[in-house]
Amino acid sequence: KQEVTQIPAALSVPEGENLVLNCSFTDSAIYNLQWFRQDPGKGLTSLLLIQSSQREQTSGRLNASLDKSSGRSTLYIAASQPGDSATYLCAVLQGGSEKLVFGKGTKLTVNP
Amino acid sequence: EAQVTQNPRYLITVTGKKLTVTCSQNMNHEYMSWYRQDPGLGLRQIYYSMNVEVTDKGDVPEGYKVSRKEKRNFPLILESPSPNQTSLYFCASSFLGGVGEQYFGPGTRLTVT
Repeated sequence: KQEVTQIPAALSVPEGENLVLNCSFTDSAIYNLQWFRQDPGKGLTSLLLIQSSQREQTSGRLNASLDKSSGRSTLYIAASQPGDSATYLCAVLQGGSEKLVFGKGTKLTVNP
Repeated sequence: EAQVTQNPRYLITVTGKKLTVTCSQNMNHEYMSWYRQDPGLGLRQIYYSMNVEVTDKGDVPEGYKVSRKEKRNFPLILESPSPNQTSLYFCASSFLGGVGEQYFGPGTRLTVT
């Protein structure tokens, strides 16, 4: 059974820092990995999607990498801003079952 | 605009009173699914559908029903809601085969008293 783990569960940084969020998964038979952002009580906003054949994707200050063989992904946020404060979720799409399995998220606080 | 819509966004109801949460997508996606999100437990899949008239159980299907009569709609039915179904519910859709991202609706906050 696929398990997705995100470390750390919470992170607090001063504005301007570069930071890395980690995601690991136990079964490498995935179609893709997706990073989401969720603000309190709100829906999920898709940030980056990495297909299983890709190594990384970039969007603005965000860069996500994928190492399928080791079951790891990282989300790099450059020059963090208070507006980046949110919970970040990673999810892997299982091959065959089409099931999306989520980690429990990393709650990020960027202090002004 | 590509989107997944859910209604209602907020609902307070009483134990045992049947309710339906609607979900609709305008992207011609084959795959649709329902999740619930609870503190400390994360997002868990309730049911999913790979196409019209094809549905299957996720991780926590007890107490829920779904139907997929049209490609764009995937309603979630609670025939006899109980307080342990108080949660934040999300509908999602995508193309099959992992060719694209999953799109999520805005969520429905359900309280069962």
